[in-house]
Amino acid sequence: ETGVTQTPRHLVMGMTNKKSLKCEQHLGHNAMYWYKQSAKKPLELMFVYSLEERVENNSVPSRFSPECPNSSHLFLHLHTLQPEDSALYLCASSQDSVAGHYGYTFGSGTRLTVV
Amino acid sequence: KQEVTQIPAALSVPEGENLVLNCSFTDSAIYNLQWFRQDPGKGLTSLLLIQSSQREQTSGRLNASLDKSSGRSTLYIAASQPGDSATYLCAVFTGGGNKLTFGTGTQLKVEL
Repeated sequence: ETGVTQTPRHLVMGMTNKKSLKCEQHLGHNAMYWYKQSAKKPLELMFVYSLEERVENNSVPSRFSPECPNSSHLFLHLHTLQPEDSALYLCASSQDSVAGHYGYTFGSGTRLTVV
Repeated sequence: KQEVTQIPAALSVPEGENLVLNCSFTDSAIYNLQWFRQDPGKGLTSLLLIQSSQREQTSGRLNASLDKSSGRSTLYIAASQPGDSATYLCAVFTGGGNKLTFGTGTQLKVEL
């Protein structure tokens, strides 16, 4: 366990379904992230939350909706997805301060399959 | 725009061999560089973090170096073992909106 926990580990959903991915960190970090990893592609940053405020939205389609209710929890709400959205979704956290940045900690990911 | 390249894309070595994985980046204005390991279908495990002011970091059989001015980093694995088989990713952090840019990885296979 890295200190970042993602649930569920695997998810199969139809294109008309609504589901949510959950991420939880108990590292005391102040920033959390959603990344998408598709086959043969580098990891793509989707969303960044710093101190519970969204600071980055990398042109992600509106069918992906993030929520950060507090500094320890991050959700990714999914609706009307497409088959090309099938991928490994990774959550990460980091501790950032004026003194510097101290690296990212990743969860184990949620393998999403859209049918 | 920062671009990160990893060479080779895949590598197969016999057990016990020492090996070097390469990472290059186009913009040298980085805060730090992080090496990760990823097993198939799993998340990323952080191996080493090198701040921009540092030249290298060591952890067990792993040694990572950073030459910021030339935009290069290497990950040296000593006495490789089958359990080292995984994909190794390097990522550079350039700040400004928490930008962490990943390479496409090197897929390593260590054979008995």
